Amino acid sequence: SQQGEEDPQALSIQEGENATMNCSYKTSINNLQWYRQNSGRGLVHLILIRSNEREKHSGRLRVTLDTSKKSSSLLITASRAADTASYFCATVLNDYKLSFGAGTTVTVRA
Amino acid sequence: NAGVTQTPKFRVLKTGQSMTLLCAQDMNHEYMYWYRQDPGMGLRLIHYSVGEGTTAKGEVPDGYNVSRLKKQNFLLGLESAAPSQTSVYFCASSALAVYNEQFFGPGTRLTVL
Repeated sequence: SQQGEEDPQALSIQEGENATMNCSYKTSINNLQWYRQNSGRGLVHLILIRSNEREKHSGRLRVTLDTSKKSSSLLITASRAADTASYFCATVLNDYKLSFGAGTTVTVRA
Repeated sequence: NAGVTQTPKFRVLKTGQSMTLLCAQDMNHEYMYWYRQDPGMGLRLIHYSVGEGTTAKGEVPDGYNVSRLKKQNFLLGLESAAPSQTSVYFCASSALAVYNEQFFGPGTRLTVL
């Protein structure tokens, strides 16, 4: 069963706007990771946030984690056409397994 | 570095046929994983390996077998393919335990008729 669920399922924004997507999970985690998947390609790791961290930045990406609410958010600022992709959150439940959500599909319109 | 590569990229099988998917990584990673991706369901872990000569079951292992005879290679086998195994298969590797990032291959699109 999937541990994480992303919301919304799909998002369409204008180039230059910000995109926010959320991930909720069910059980306590060690860390949470976000991945991007361009159409027809493999997943690419974006950012990892540990359970004792509340916010992390990487370029135009900002991730927050609220362990009390069991939720995380990914913000992409000043979106570009190249940001069109599916975004997945993955929670770490034990040493070897990531549990992925179903993903958020982001479309950036020119 | 090529990273993680998968062979083949596409394959069409008939029900009951067998095949092997090959994953190779050149990053000297200890951990390797096989996932399947179906529409609307994200990725589900099939089998994984924590080192050469080791394998373990993931979330959806039935109908699949794996082998890790060499550290750089992780093979996924389907002994008797079924239409329910139509999916996109991804291999991934990581350097340490899953607290580190996983590196993914480009995927194999398998159709079972």
